[in-house]
Amino acid sequence: GESVGLHLPTLSVQEGDNSIINCAYSNSASDYFIWYKQESGKGPQFIIDIRSNMDKRQGQRVTVLLNKTVKHLSLQIAATQPGDSAVYFCADFTGNQFYFGTGTSLTVIP
Amino acid sequence: NAGVTQTPKFQVLKTGQSMTLQCAQDMNHNSMYWYRQDPGMGLRLIYYSASEGTTDKGEVPNGYNVSRLNKREFSLRLESAAPSQTSVYFCAGLSAGTDTQYFGPGTRLTVL
Repeated sequence: GESVGLHLPTLSVQEGDNSIINCAYSNSASDYFIWYKQESGKGPQFIIDIRSNMDKRQGQRVTVLLNKTVKHLSLQIAATQPGDSAVYFCADFTGNQFYFGTGTSLTVIP
Repeated sequence: NAGVTQTPKFQVLKTGQSMTLQCAQDMNHNSMYWYRQDPGMGLRLIYYSASEGTTDKGEVPNGYNVSRLNKREFSLRLESAAPSQTSVYFCAGLSAGTDTQYFGPGTRLTVL
């Protein structure tokens, strides 16, 4: 079946540094990928998405990279701030369903 | 514009009790979803509704039922709660055309 996994359950970075969170997926037919941020006690919040016809997409301080050859995507956060501390999930949309990774907990050290 | 709302925020049940988790959205989503979130696991889909009047099973439907009452509301019912259903439950709506999901704040359910 479908599986989506994150490489590291936790990540600590110094404030101002760049953060990279990685994710792997199993379904080569997946054509839409999303990154979510979840703060403690809240629901997941959409950050950025990318479709399979692209390999890079940029938002405000965030960039998503997609490598379809190895079925890997990453989320890069530039100049990480304390407000970026949260759990980050990747997900892919296949059929009419979303499949979520287990999440990476990002801690920003002031 | 409240987005996606869920009630209650917290609930404690005894084994065998029943309850309904409510979800409503004012974003005109066609599709709505119920997930559960457990420690160390990603969000897992319980049921979804692609449109008003239709529902489909997700990855973990056993022990649950759903009702898409109208376009705005999608409820999740536990007929006979079990400790294994202790979890945080999230409802989400899907924005047509963008495939962006919007999540509610969650319901934290404990079954004793």
